[in-house]
Amino acid sequence: GAGVSQSPSNKVTEKGKDVELRCDPISGHTALYWYRQSLGQGLEFLIYFQGNSAPDKSGLPSDRFSAERTGGSVSTLTIQRTQQEDSAVYLCASSLSLAGVTPYNEQFFGPGTRLTVL
Amino acid sequence: EDQVTQSPEALRLQEGESSSLNCSYTVSGLRGLFWYRQDPGKGPEFLFTLYSAGEEKEKERLKATLTKKESFLHITAPKPEDSATYLCAVLLFSGGYNKLIFGAGTRLAVHP
Repeated sequence: GAGVSQSPSNKVTEKGKDVELRCDPISGHTALYWYRQSLGQGLEFLIYFQGNSAPDKSGLPSDRFSAERTGGSVSTLTIQRTQQEDSAVYLCASSLSLAGVTPYNEQFFGPGTRLTVL
Repeated sequence: EDQVTQSPEALRLQEGESSSLNCSYTVSGLRGLFWYRQDPGKGPEFLFTLYSAGEEKEKERLKATLTKKESFLHITAPKPEDSATYLCAVLLFSGGYNKLIFGAGTRLAVHP
């Protein structure tokens, strides 16, 4: 595809339900990132994938959050037992090279999934 | 603690009125600084990367500069289509990989 795609674009759910957010990175990009953007806040790093493995999960806010990546491509971010404070825009980005390699390659962002927890 | 602060939070300009956005940072092991533009309902779009103090990059009406403690995004003779949120992010090497830490952004509105 031409860019990073995310689905759904909008998700409204009830408190306590589980949600899955999907990210399709640019073909060939080995690094994939998930961020959260709350209203008026900067992007908050959640998790990073290098291939299918996630060396750094330190940004996940709680154990209700998990993510996986299969085949070095599509990634899914799952939020269990959603809470109102989980409402935010969840952004995915991918980059060409392994993130530990220099020179650094820019991250290309998807349009995001707007999650609203009622 | 690594921190990135952007100012002002919001800026309103008249078309043609030049100004600057500021991004100050306190981090250890800076590897680079990035500027992104974000339009409503869209993901951030890459603008510039700066790697060392004294470096400057230009693109149309935008020019980014970097010192050891801050970066400026200068907007010359802005047009309404420059209205967006401008994000800066610092690149750190942490835990074996490159990590971006973002500021909260500056919302720019350019009026005709």
